[in-house]
Amino acid sequence: EVQLVESGGGLVQPGRSLRLSCVTSGYTFGDYGVSWVRQAPGKGLEWIGFIRNKRYGGTTEYAASVKDRVSISRDDSTSVAYVQMNSLRKEDTAVYYCTRVYGSGTFMPDYWGQGTLVTVSS
Amino acid sequence: QSALTQPASVSGSPGQSITISCTGTSSDVGKYNIVTWYQQHPGKAPKLMIYEVNRRPSGLSNRFSGSKSGNTASLTISGLQADDEADYYCSSFADSPTFVVFGGGTKLTVL
Repeated sequence: EVQLVESGGGLVQPGRSLRLSCVTSGYTFGDYGVSWVRQAPGKGLEWIGFIRNKRYGGTTEYAASVKDRVSISRDDSTSVAYVQMNSLRKEDTAVYYCTRVYGSGTFMPDYWGQGTLVTVSS
Repeated sequence: QSALTQPASVSGSPGQSITISCTGTSSDVGKYNIVTWYQQHPGKAPKLMIYEVNRRPSGLSNRFSGSKSGNTASLTISGLQADDEADYYCSSFADSPTFVVFGGGTKLTVL
């Protein structure tokens, strides 16, 4: 069974940083890309970034809205993905989902984690 | 404002069929056959329902179907059931540097 479990969310002050983790199991992590998607309370889904698998260079792409403040990484030896978020703002308050991406160049999620809530507030 | 336009809400009675539209542009829906649909129940993670416009994940009911014409994709749910009541989001691959766009979501109410 494919599983993705996010952790690392919580209450954080504006301007601070946070790193979220995504522990995966049930599939060969190294064969798939990972996208991170967030959802502000009561709002829709927003894609924030993607990391390719090593076969495609392990390179990253980011949404323009977060490009200068977000960094996605992966550790294929432990099947874990990360998203580092810097200079957090109140508008970054959201549930952050880690997702497995299907296909080699789609960026599109097939499996989703349960999400972790990040609240940015003083 | 979301990049893809969906109706805010749709409704139908059990057993009926409904269709949710998702309108984009020639840089996303109109250009790529990488359109996905997700179902999200309250407090839960989204679930993939349709990918690549009209393909269903293994094991998913054939009551769910997808299509596309020009810049508009559609999700049709036939034989509505109470458990179909949820939010539905479309998404599309898009030209760089956007890459992925979502619709604003459609709340389906089963009357």
